[in-house]
Amino acid sequence: GQQVMQIPQYQHVQEGEDFTTYCNSSTTLSNIQWYKQRPGGHPVFLIQLVKSGEVKKQKRLTFQFGEAKKNSSLHITATQTTDVGTYFCAGFYPGGNQFYFGTGTSLTVIP
Amino acid sequence: DAGITQSPRHKVTETGTPVTLRCHQTENHRYMYWYRQDPGHGLRLIHYSYGVKDTDKGEVSDGYSVSRSKTEDFLLTLESATSSQTSVYFCAISYTGGLNTGELFFGEGSRLTVL
Repeated sequence: GQQVMQIPQYQHVQEGEDFTTYCNSSTTLSNIQWYKQRPGGHPVFLIQLVKSGEVKKQKRLTFQFGEAKKNSSLHITATQTTDVGTYFCAGFYPGGNQFYFGTGTSLTVIP
Repeated sequence: DAGITQSPRHKVTETGTPVTLRCHQTENHRYMYWYRQDPGHGLRLIHYSYGVKDTDKGEVSDGYSVSRSKTEDFLLTLESATSSQTSVYFCAISYTGGLNTGELFFGEGSRLTVL
């Protein structure tokens, strides 16, 4: 079946350091979404990327979609304790009927 | 607040018993989804609905059935629960467009333990 790989599984950073999580697919995606889930909470939508090479920014968060639409990344600059949580990507394949979620990257920020 | 309510929020049951989880939305959206979340697997789609009485399978549908007799309610049923179905179940809705265009809004989740 279709699969979106996400790395790393865990990341511990000192507050103020940067953080990046990556998602990869072996085949081309139509579009990709990113979600954040706080501990004990539910996933919350962050952004959707559709175009090849697309880059979007939300304050300290930068989202990229690869030129081949097979990979994507989320980069957080100068992490804060409020960034703690698990970040998921979710890819949609052409002709498909569902989003396939990555396994998530759990971010811990050490004050 | 996307107006999604899941019930029950927590349930402990025994192997072989039937279980029904309910997802209720207040905003009349067309698409509704049931996901399960397990460590190391992320979120996996069980079933989804694109209208009243219109449902389809996701990637992990075995052992689950769904029904949608009203726009606002999407029920997930485990006919005979097994320990492998211990999980956190999330209902989601999407506001716009087709299956690949709308952002998903998730409910608070239902934690199911099958002993």
